[in-house]
Amino acid sequence: EVQLVESGGGLVQPGRSLKLSCAASGFTFSDYYMAWVRQAPTKGLEWVASISYDGGSTYYRDSVKGRFTISRDNAKSSLYLQMDSLRSEDTATYYCTTDGAYWGQGVMVTVSS
Amino acid sequence: DVVLTQTPVSLLISLGGQASISCRSSQSLVHSNGNTYLHWYLQKPGQSPQLLIYQVSNRFSGIPDRFSGSGSGTDFTLKISRVEPEDLGVYYCLQRTHNPFTFGSGTKLEIK
Repeated sequence: EVQLVESGGGLVQPGRSLKLSCAASGFTFSDYYMAWVRQAPTKGLEWVASISYDGGSTYYRDSVKGRFTISRDNAKSSLYLQMDSLRSEDTATYYCTTDGAYWGQGVMVTVSS
Repeated sequence: DVVLTQTPVSLLISLGGQASISCRSSQSLVHSNGNTYLHWYLQKPGQSPQLLIYQVSNRFSGIPDRFSGSGSGTDFTLKISRVEPEDLGVYYCLQRTHNPFTFGSGTKLEIK
């Protein structure tokens, strides 16, 4: 059974950093592109970042470019999202996904003073 | 960025009835490789999104044949026949042809 379990969320002040992790199991992690998608409270879905099978290619939406870094460790079947210079508009539930097919349960990030 | 316009915003359907959701794109979703990366998701209350249909018309693993997708180019439709109580939630279309990938704004399905 495919499982994606996110962790690392919480309350953080504007301008600070947070690192999300996603532990994958039940499939060959290195066979999948991976991505982070977020959903602000009561809002729709927003694709944030993607990473290729070996981590050699990454993609970011403009609003997080230069602030967020997506990475992966295939040996540990884990996906990460380093979020720096956080803003209030980054407040959302962040989902880890196998490029849209399978999804984790999400982790909440609240950016507030 | 590609804008996906979903209509209607909400639907009230009787059990056993049929629902139809439209997703129109601001530009063609045919990729240079010939594939069309338009997908449909359902987000049930309090849950993560789940993939229903990928590449316009292919049902994902475990999705019943009550769900069907169709369309081409810029116009796409999700049909749900014989609506059941577990079908309630918000339906989203997603395009993964053009970066940045974008979602439609969602259609809320409620059961009468």
